[in-house]
Amino acid sequence: NAGVTQTPKFRVLKTGQSMTLLCAQDMNHEYMYWYRQDPGMGLRLIHYSVGEGTTAKGEVPDGYNVSRLKKQNFLLGLESAAPSQTSVYFCASSYGPNYEQYFGPGTRLTVT
Amino acid sequence: RKEVEQDPGPFNVPEGATVAFNCTYSNSASQSFFWYRQDCRKEPKLLMSVYSSGNEDGRFTAQLNRASQYISLLIRDSKLSDSATYLCVVNQDTGRRALTFGSGTRLQVQP
Repeated sequence: NAGVTQTPKFRVLKTGQSMTLLCAQDMNHEYMYWYRQDPGMGLRLIHYSVGEGTTAKGEVPDGYNVSRLKKQNFLLGLESAAPSQTSVYFCASSYGPNYEQYFGPGTRLTVT
Repeated sequence: RKEVEQDPGPFNVPEGATVAFNCTYSNSASQSFFWYRQDCRKEPKLLMSVYSSGNEDGRFTAQLNRASQYISLLIRDSKLSDSATYLCVVNQDTGRRALTFGSGTRLQVQP
């Protein structure tokens, strides 16, 4: 089992460009999450999904959109990147809201 | 009050020492508790769940105090490889359907 994978691992964008981050899990988990982590800070929840076809906002959803068209995939989109979105993005999945979450290796995004 | 609060540290301890971290949480209805470990520039990884009666996994012991709303992590016989940031994680039962992560306590074990 690969667990949770994320692509790409690194990306540099110019302000205003768009991109999509892909998260995939092979554990048949219902719940999936996108977090961002800034240097020296904790994880902040961007969006999450409680099942295929559903999405919900987390703490810091502005500037991001998500889609969960297939159970195993959760996409995070940045429509018009801003320097404030420079961060490390982690995807996670779990069986349910009260179960442990398993994380992908992260995507390091720099917006110049 | 923050939902989940941890002392950021760093805790600098010599090899072989015993070190303990506490974490307080705000929601008395919380039911699930975990400790995660995060190495520098890596993803968080589950260290252990925390059960009501307390639990142990090798050199690591986790305890829950519902009355005072805190959980603790005790590390015995610290190793250099224990150097990391330890994240306290709680479900807040706020309907958000997601766990809440603390900002972490940094541990540095020195030779």
